[in-house]
Amino acid sequence: DSGVTQTPKHLITATGQRVTLRCSPRSGDLSVYWYQQSLDQGLQFLIQYYNGEERAKGNILERFSAQQFPDLHSELNLSSLELGDSALYFCASSAGSRGNTIYFGEGSWLTVV
Amino acid sequence: SQQGEEDPQALSIQEGENATMNCSYKTSINNLQWYRQNSGRGLVHLILIRSNEREKHSGRLRVTLDTSKKSSSLLITASRAADTASYFCATDWADKLIFGTGTRLQVFP
Repeated sequence: DSGVTQTPKHLITATGQRVTLRCSPRSGDLSVYWYQQSLDQGLQFLIQYYNGEERAKGNILERFSAQQFPDLHSELNLSSLELGDSALYFCASSAGSRGNTIYFGEGSWLTVV
Repeated sequence: SQQGEEDPQALSIQEGENATMNCSYKTSINNLQWYRQNSGRGLVHLILIRSNEREKHSGRLRVTLDTSKKSSSLLITASRAADTASYFCATDWADKLIFGTGTRLQVFP
């Protein structure tokens, strides 16, 4: 158990819908990362927050947004969902802002039908 | 494009054999990390090697780093069926931790 908690574990939704994925980082960690893993794209970095502020941005679509709250938990919002958004979404956390070991949650499986 | 590329994409060996995976990256780095992922699970950190280190050991794992060739290797000695997993290298690039494409390792009993 990494200490990173993600909910929900599984989610099935229809195209055009919006979902929110939630992440609680390890106790004391200030950074939260979001990654998307799919068969064709591999493990893609989406975005990182550090202590409530956006720290780095990757291949995150405009239909997706994220935020980190004062209690350091984070949410990833996915809207206008398409079939291609079906993937495993990981949250990870680390103590610092860069150059650290990061600890992954077990992921949220999103299936868009 | 991916910062890191692992080679081979897939590797099958017998228990007791050694497994070697390679990672090549494109730009200079501060450190390089290796992670393991069991099918459909979260990634687990294995080892971190800094740019000023050439070799690092952790149990049955040995990691080397050659910054002149922009490459790293992960050696798993005396492999076990439980080592079956995907292995990824990760580098910090442009303030992002970017993962490679991964090597799928299958260890047969």
